[in-house]
Order: sequence, then C-alpha cells, then structure tokens
Amino acid sequence: DTEVTQTPKHLVMGMTNKKSLKCEQHMGHRAMYWYKQKAKKPPELMFVYSYEKLSINESVPSRFSPECPNSSLLNLHLHALQPEDSALYLCASSQVSSSGNTIYFGEGSWLTVV
Amino acid sequence: GESVGLHLPTLSVQEGDNSIINCAYSNSASDYFIWYKQESGKGPQFIIDIRSNMDKRQGQRVTVLLNKTVKHLSLQIAATQPGDSAVYFCAENPTGGYNKLIFGAGTRLAVHP
Repeated sequence: DTEVTQTPKHLVMGMTNKKSLKCEQHMGHRAMYWYKQKAKKPPELMFVYSYEKLSINESVPSRFSPECPNSSLLNLHLHALQPEDSALYLCASSQVSSSGNTIYFGEGSWLTVV
Repeated sequence: GESVGLHLPTLSVQEGDNSIINCAYSNSASDYFIWYKQESGKGPQFIIDIRSNMDKRQGQRVTVLLNKTVKHLSLQIAATQPGDSAVYFCAENPTGGYNKLIFGAGTRLAVHP
C-alpha cells in the first residue's frame, strides 16, 4: 500500500469552479511532486517541491497553483480549468539528493472538468 | 506475442511463462532508472530500480537489465502470474535532473491462464 495519500479520489468541477487537490505523506520525504496522467499515457511532471520550496515548474498554466504548507502536505489549487485538463493527478514524494531517489506515488485524484 | 495497439504496446503471455518488457531511454547521461507497475485505476507502484554503475539487479521474481551502450532497459518477470497484469513504465532520471523522472510510453502486460 502506498504511503502517499491523496484526496479526493474523484472530483468533478465546472470551468468556473475553484477546487483543491490534497496530498499527504509521512515518510519524512522532503521532495514532493505533482504529475498529470492522461488515459493510456505516461505520467508527466508538473511541479517539484524541495524543502517546501518550488524547485521545478514544467511550464504549467497558471490555472494550476501548487502549495506546500509543510514538509508533509502538498496541495494543487485549481481554478478556471478547461475540459482538456481532465486527467489523473498524481502526487509523489522522495528523499532529496543530487542523484536519483525512488519516487513513491499516491493512488491519484481523478479530475473531470465539465 | 507482442503487438502495438493504438496507444500502448501490449505483451501477451501465458501464466507461468517468463515475461520480458523492454524500454529504450533517451538520455545517455541518465544515471538512475526505475520500473513502475500501474494497475487500472491506481497510481504507479515501484517495482525495482538500478543505477548506471550496474548492469543487472534482481528482486523477488523480477530482474532489471541495463545496457548503457544502446540505452536499453529491460524488466524480466519470472513465472508470470495473473496479478502481474498491468501497465509497466520505465523511468529515467537524467544526471543533475534533481529527481526529474522521465517516463517511457509504457507496455501493457496481459497474462492469460
């Protein structure tokens, strides 16, 4: 079982709504990530936080706004989304180092924009 | 056998056979590689990893082989079981990429009784 917990599991929102996806981990990891996955496609990196600071933004539109309130929590605030933003949003976490570390994923939040 | 679907290559095997899933990675400077298993409706699950200073690593029923010369990675699953049916992704971490995993396209493994 994953130790990265995401809520909600399913979210349906209108294009004018404001909603948030939440992620929590208690593995002591100091790097946290948001990935987006469309059907039958691999996950694509959106954001990386390291020590609660945003370190990578993969040119994600501003209608997606990440937030890392503390070392265990990661949020993704959603506003004025488009139907094409419908996807599985995956949160992940890992240790921080200059070389690769295993990245552990949550089960994801299924987002449908109507 | 192997077939290429509209979006995802599929490998079909009989239960009990060995499976080999292949992956070509893009960056010759990548120094860390991971295989993930993703079941329908779930997030990717870590299977096994390997660093670029190794050619082979074994886990429980799984083996990963790395050929840096041709930038090729493979995942071998011994005695494949129905529970192994899933989509398998390889992922590479470019050197200095600061945990910036880049995923391959994925391969669907279908295990038939």
